[in-house]
Amino acid sequence: EPEVTQTPSHQVTQMGQEVILRCVPISNHLYFYWYRQILGQKVEFLVSFYNNEISEKSEIFDDQFSVERPDGSNFTLKIRSTKLEDSAMYFCASKGQSYEQYFGPGTRLTVT
Amino acid sequence: RKEVEQDPGPFNVPEGATVAFNCTYSNSASQSFFWYRQDCRKEPKLLMSVYSSGNEDGRFTAQLNRASQYISLLIRDSKLSDSATYLCVVNRPGTYKYIFGTGTRLKVLA
Repeated sequence: EPEVTQTPSHQVTQMGQEVILRCVPISNHLYFYWYRQILGQKVEFLVSFYNNEISEKSEIFDDQFSVERPDGSNFTLKIRSTKLEDSAMYFCASKGQSYEQYFGPGTRLTVT
Repeated sequence: RKEVEQDPGPFNVPEGATVAFNCTYSNSASQSFFWYRQDCRKEPKLLMSVYSSGNEDGRFTAQLNRASQYISLLIRDSKLSDSATYLCVVNRPGTYKYIFGTGTRLKVLA
């Protein structure tokens, strides 16, 4: 069964450093998403991406964040200058023509 | 009023029990509704979409009540493996956004 994959599973970085989180969505899906979940809190929408551009972003997704689909398979989330409060699980999700989204296993980001 | 609201629980039930969760949503124009299951520190996994006519998948039944703006999930014959957090997800109409509830925690006890 096709699945969304994410790398790395855990990333530790120092405050102020740049990180890139990587996702490989399900191959025939067209809509891609990043979500964040701070420990003990709810899943929060960050950004959606369709047709090679951002279709929607939340107020969390400020200038420190960017997304890219550099080739036909990867979908990346970059955080330019990490803050302590960026520590969270980051989930990538993809969606085909139906409404259901499928999530990757997540990257746990720890900013020290 | 929150866009998507769930009782956080925990719901502690014995094995074999039937348990039901509700989720209310604020935007009457919402069209897509889902239940996801999330285990501790894992990704949300799609449990079922919720259709207007209601739908059933084995021990799980989902219902939509548009008039009262809530969706429900019924789990029959609870198993220990059903212990998880159940997330209600609703689309924000006119956008690509899906809004998650805070989740309802279920513990099935032996």
